[in-house]
Amino acid sequence: DAKTTQPPSMDCAEGRAANLPCNHSTISGNEYVYWYRQIHSQGPQYIIHGLKNNETNEMASLIITEDRKSSTLILPHATLRDTAVYYCIVSNDYKLSFGAGTTVTVRA
Amino acid sequence: EADIYQTPRYLVIGTGKKITLECSQTMGHDKMYWYQQDPGMELHLIHYSYGVNSTEKGDLSSESTVSRIRTEHFPLTLESARPSHTSQYLCASSEWTFSGNTIYFGEGSWLTVV
Repeated sequence: DAKTTQPPSMDCAEGRAANLPCNHSTISGNEYVYWYRQIHSQGPQYIIHGLKNNETNEMASLIITEDRKSSTLILPHATLRDTAVYYCIVSNDYKLSFGAGTTVTVRA
Repeated sequence: EADIYQTPRYLVIGTGKKITLECSQTMGHDKMYWYQQDPGMELHLIHYSYGVNSTEKGDLSSESTVSRIRTEHFPLTLESARPSHTSQYLCASSEWTFSGNTIYFGEGSWLTVV
């Protein structure tokens, strides 16, 4: 699986959009980009995933660059409950490897 | 909302005891996984299964064992618990579709060995 690079932490103001970057410069053509989050040691929660096109669901939007070497997860209106560790994972396998992720703190 | 259940949620057990952590899913998923996570640390895959009678070791070596006799059930067993086994154990399941592989996690089992 391709390796990903995420900032270790970031802050966000409540009500504002949170843009979480992820670099995956060694991604291969059949690898998906997945985003998960983990709130306070609960089980990780699936957020969104994509292959080439941008994706949007009720939780977030995923923007993948045209060369697929990086992506951005967008939480449109961050709330205090969005405080969590966010994981960007690139894989074409059944198994997913979770790295250190980005600790996102939403502040009132 | 994923239907994957883990029991017990919390367990304190003495050294040398045998324990089994239960995991069940009602989604009919073929793939199931066990991850281990120490507080504040990364998740590590310790076991996975592609289907009934299939079990494989994950990226992190573990003294635990697993079995997959039924699609919906994927228990993890420690024959002789030690304090080093103190951790959170997370069970998950998934099904590969044409749009990728989405993994759903249970709420975790916190194990403390004293």
